[in-house]
Amino acid sequence: KNEVEQSPQNLTAQEGEFITINCSYSVGISALHWLQQHPGGGIVSLFMLSSGKKKHGRLIATINIQEKHSSLHITASHPRDSAVYICAVSANNNDMRFGAGTRLTVKP
Amino acid sequence: DVKVTQSSRYLVKRTGEKVFLECVQDMDHENMFWYRQDPGLGLRLIYFSYDVKMKEKGDIPEGYSVSREKKERFSLILESASTNQTSMYLCASSRTGRGYSNQPQHFGDGTRLSIL
Repeated sequence: KNEVEQSPQNLTAQEGEFITINCSYSVGISALHWLQQHPGGGIVSLFMLSSGKKKHGRLIATINIQEKHSSLHITASHPRDSAVYICAVSANNNDMRFGAGTRLTVKP
Repeated sequence: DVKVTQSSRYLVKRTGEKVFLECVQDMDHENMFWYRQDPGLGLRLIYFSYDVKMKEKGDIPEGYSVSREKKERFSLILESASTNQTSMYLCASSRTGRGYSNQPQHFGDGTRLSIL
């Protein structure tokens, strides 16, 4: 079983929909990261959080440390949000562990 | 803005060849990483380096080696390429802070390597 599980693996939405991507982890962590990977490969760091909630534009990331769960929300989704979203955790032993990613397609 | 540059976007090599993947960062970051990314598996760490001439094995170092002679450059070497090393390779860098994994990593655009 992977230490970081994401769901769903694939997600298709219509433009304007509210989107949620979930991440569960099984190790002790010091921080959780949400990354975005566009077609072609480049990865961008969206959020790093260790508690509560962070917001950047239409993106919101939350984490519940007790439940070992994080969510990434996208409000008013747009086709340019189409990408692979990756959850990663900084484990207490200083390792990074990555989820397999969620492929999001937003249709106009 | 941090720039992590990988030398090639696409590379095709033959089985048994020695392959070099180069990565350069321009923000004076101490830490540099090499990952491979395969469908359904997520990113897996091959090697990382926290200083010049220093290196540590990651989760899947077999068949690979690395070189860090200068702070800005981290090279991944496939000593004798095999077909199971066909993959997307991503380089990243980060600053040293409270543990290297607590700093945001900045990624290159990736090299899609095919071994025939």
